[in-house]
Amino acid sequence: KQEVTQIPAALSVPEGENLVLNCSFTDSAIYNLQWFRQDPGKGLTSLLLIQSSQREQTSGRLNASLDKSSGRSTLYIAASQPGDSATYLCASPRTGANNLFFGTGTRLTVIP
Amino acid sequence: NAGVMQNPRHLVRRRGQEARLRCSPMKGHSHVYWYRQLPEEGLKFMVYLQKENIIDESGMPKERFSAEFPKEGPSILRIQQVVRGDSAAYFCASSPGRDRVSEQYFGPGTRLTVT
Repeated sequence: KQEVTQIPAALSVPEGENLVLNCSFTDSAIYNLQWFRQDPGKGLTSLLLIQSSQREQTSGRLNASLDKSSGRSTLYIAASQPGDSATYLCASPRTGANNLFFGTGTRLTVIP
Repeated sequence: NAGVMQNPRHLVRRRGQEARLRCSPMKGHSHVYWYRQLPEEGLKFMVYLQKENIIDESGMPKERFSAEFPKEGPSILRIQQVVRGDSAAYFCASSPGRDRVSEQYFGPGTRLTVT
């Protein structure tokens, strides 16, 4: 059974700071990993998807890495802004699974 | 192109009542997933359906919960005789086809409160 853990559970940083969010998974039989953003009262928005054959993906100020052998992924946010305040979730389908396994999320607050 | 629609957005039920949550997938999508998010927890898979067929209900509680996705109309998640522990946000996602689990688009969720 896949278990996904995210550390820290909450993070508060001043505007402009670079930060890293961590995601660990127990079953390395994954074929990709996604990072989502969840705003209060809203659905999930997909930010980045890394295929198992890739090591990282970049989109604007976001960079996500994947290390299957150690069961870890990180999401790096450069030059954080107050608009980045949200909960960030990582999720992955195990090979052959019909669903995504989600982490518990990191609640990020960027202080102006 | 409208995204995934869920209604109602907020639902309050008394213990013992029934709750019906609706999900309309994105245009062109034929597969629907339901997830539940309990307070301070991550999303947990409940059920995966395509039209007129349940593909995987391994995450669904065995009692009181049921789901359907009819040929016409939205997918429905039904919870009978609700209890306080059912209070959660229920998210629906849709994808364009089978084996495209990573192409899920999520709706805004229905927040169920059981009093």
